[in-house]
Amino acid sequence: KAGVTQTPRYLIKTRGQQVTLSCSPISGHRSVSWYQQTPGQGLQFLFEYFSETQRNKGNFPGRFSGRQFSNSRSEMNVSTLELGDSALYLCASREGTGWKEQFFGPGTRLTVL
Amino acid sequence: AQSVAQPEDQVNVAEGNPLTVKCTYSVSGNPYLFWYVQYPNRGLQFLLKYITGDNLVKGSYGFEAEFNKSQTSFHLKKPSALVSDSALYFCAVRDESSGNTGKLIFGQGTTLQVKP
Repeated sequence: KAGVTQTPRYLIKTRGQQVTLSCSPISGHRSVSWYQQTPGQGLQFLFEYFSETQRNKGNFPGRFSGRQFSNSRSEMNVSTLELGDSALYLCASREGTGWKEQFFGPGTRLTVL
Repeated sequence: AQSVAQPEDQVNVAEGNPLTVKCTYSVSGNPYLFWYVQYPNRGLQFLLKYITGDNLVKGSYGFEAEFNKSQTSFHLKKPSALVSDSALYFCAVRDESSGNTGKLIFGQGTTLQVKP
């Protein structure tokens, strides 16, 4: 099976702009989670989607949002970008039932100037 | 509150020697524990997990981890380190307050440096 894919891999934006990141999970996986990775804060959970519904949300401002489509693909959006949003954004998928491990994509490196 | 601690920012070992990367956790219920590895400019790769059962868990690439409930630890081990094992290692615990969701709480990570 193909792994988790994320597009784009790299992105440069300026403050105030908005950005949309995309994630395609492993085939058959219905759960998609998003994490933000920064040198200072480490890996922090953003949100999880399962069957097009947000199932859990981390402690991030409302500028961070996401959605999931019927084919399980997910997008996350960050509006009004701030310098501190520069990070590696990781998407992870899992089967969604029972407790199975998550499989991560390569990430999208977002730089905000 | 649940948490995971990786007390060492960096671990240095010589190739061929055994390695240990430490992890301790704090949860109120039964822990679901994971180890992931991250190579430069890559995502996280799953190594192994402990859900229940045998305290010694075997995973990918020759890694294993020992679950110790009394010491609330889940240390990652490998009998003989390779230079290619050099990477950033993360310990994680399932957030039990979130039910059957995918939320993981990660430690800060430990950089493993294996010298030839």
